[in-house]
Amino acid sequence: EPEVTQTPSHQVTQMGQEVILRCVPISNHLYFYWYRQILGQKVEFLVSFYNNEISEKSEIFDDQFSVERPDGSNFTLKIRSTKLEDSAMYFCASRVNTGELFFGEGSRLTVL
Amino acid sequence: QKEVEQDPGPLSVPEGAIVSLNCTYSNSAFQYFMWYRQYSRKGPELLMYTYSSGNKEDGRFTAQVDKSSKYISLFIRDSQPSDSATYLCAMSGLSGGYNKLIFGAGTRLAVHP
Repeated sequence: EPEVTQTPSHQVTQMGQEVILRCVPISNHLYFYWYRQILGQKVEFLVSFYNNEISEKSEIFDDQFSVERPDGSNFTLKIRSTKLEDSAMYFCASRVNTGELFFGEGSRLTVL
Repeated sequence: QKEVEQDPGPLSVPEGAIVSLNCTYSNSAFQYFMWYRQYSRKGPELLMYTYSSGNKEDGRFTAQVDKSSKYISLFIRDSQPSDSATYLCAMSGLSGGYNKLIFGAGTRLAVHP
């Protein structure tokens, strides 16, 4: 069964460092997302991406964040200068069009 | 008022029980409703997807949407210890593929043998 895959599963970084989280969405999907879940809290929307551009972003997704689809398969989230409060699980998700949204297993980011 | 409200539980039931999980919402524009299961430190796994009002059944799971009351439910029949997880409701309203999901806080379910 096709699935969304994410790497790394866990990353530990120092405050101020840049981090890139990688995702391979399901191959025929057209819409891509990043969500975040701080430990014990809700899953929160960060950004949606379609046709090689951002279609919507939340207030969380400030200038420190960027997304890119550098080739036909990968979808990346970059955090330029990490803060302690960026520690969370980051989930990539994809969908064909309307309908079901499928999530990856997540990348756990720990900022020290 | 929060856009999506979900009782965080925890909910503890014996094996074989019928479980009822619920969410209420305030935005009448929501049209797409989903239930996800999430194990600890794992990604949300899609269980049920419903468009607009009505019921949908898949095996031991039944999803109900009542748009007039802004209320959605997930029923689990013959619950098993493996059903122990956090259940997230999620919904969205815009048409097209880039509509964002708004999640509830999740209900922790424990099914004991």
